[in-house]
Amino acid sequence: DAGVTQSPTHLIKTRGQQVTLRCSPKSGHDTVSWYQQALGQGPQFIFQYYEEEERQRGNFPDRFSGHQFPNYSSELNVNALLLGDSALYLCASSFWGGTEAFFGQGTRLTVV
Amino acid sequence: QKEVEQNSGPLSVPEGAIASLNCTYSDRGSQSFFWYRQYSGKSPELIMSIYSNGDKEDGRFTAQLNKASQYVSLLIRDSQPSDSATYLCAVNLEVQGGKLIFGQGTELSVKP
Repeated sequence: DAGVTQSPTHLIKTRGQQVTLRCSPKSGHDTVSWYQQALGQGPQFIFQYYEEEERQRGNFPDRFSGHQFPNYSSELNVNALLLGDSALYLCASSFWGGTEAFFGQGTRLTVV
Repeated sequence: QKEVEQNSGPLSVPEGAIASLNCTYSDRGSQSFFWYRQYSGKSPELIMSIYSNGDKEDGRFTAQLNKASQYVSLLIRDSQPSDSATYLCAVNLEVQGGKLIFGQGTELSVKP
């Protein structure tokens, strides 16, 4: 049983560029949440997708957008990258009827 | 006041001792509570979830919840060097779906 998978694992982008990160949830899970984790901090909630709709959104600008596909996989898009967007981006998979969430291995984004 | 607070540590304990990790939260409406373990450079791994007042034991780990005091703790018995990691406390305000609100994490070091 595959766990949560994210791609790519590492990424280097230049300021102003756009990036797309991908996530496949754990088998049987239907909900995907995205988090940003800066060095030395706890993860911060970006948004959550269920039934292909954004259900909740954290305090992140509109430059951060997402999508969920019919197979429950999800993408996180960040436009006009800033140096401050450098972080570990985590995808969490869960079942809508519960609250336990399981994380993928993360994507380390570096903006230069 | 932060929504979820943890001592950042580092907390240092000798091998075989009990490690005690603490967390307080501000929203009395919080419904579910989680402890994640995060090794350096890795993603968070769910180790305990607790939903009602009292203790919940799983192997060497015991989670304790006191909703009246808005306090969650994690005890690790017979600590091993492999337990050295950052421990993240997270709460969810929802009974289903919902977002996780994380503390900044407590770094635990278990000395041989």
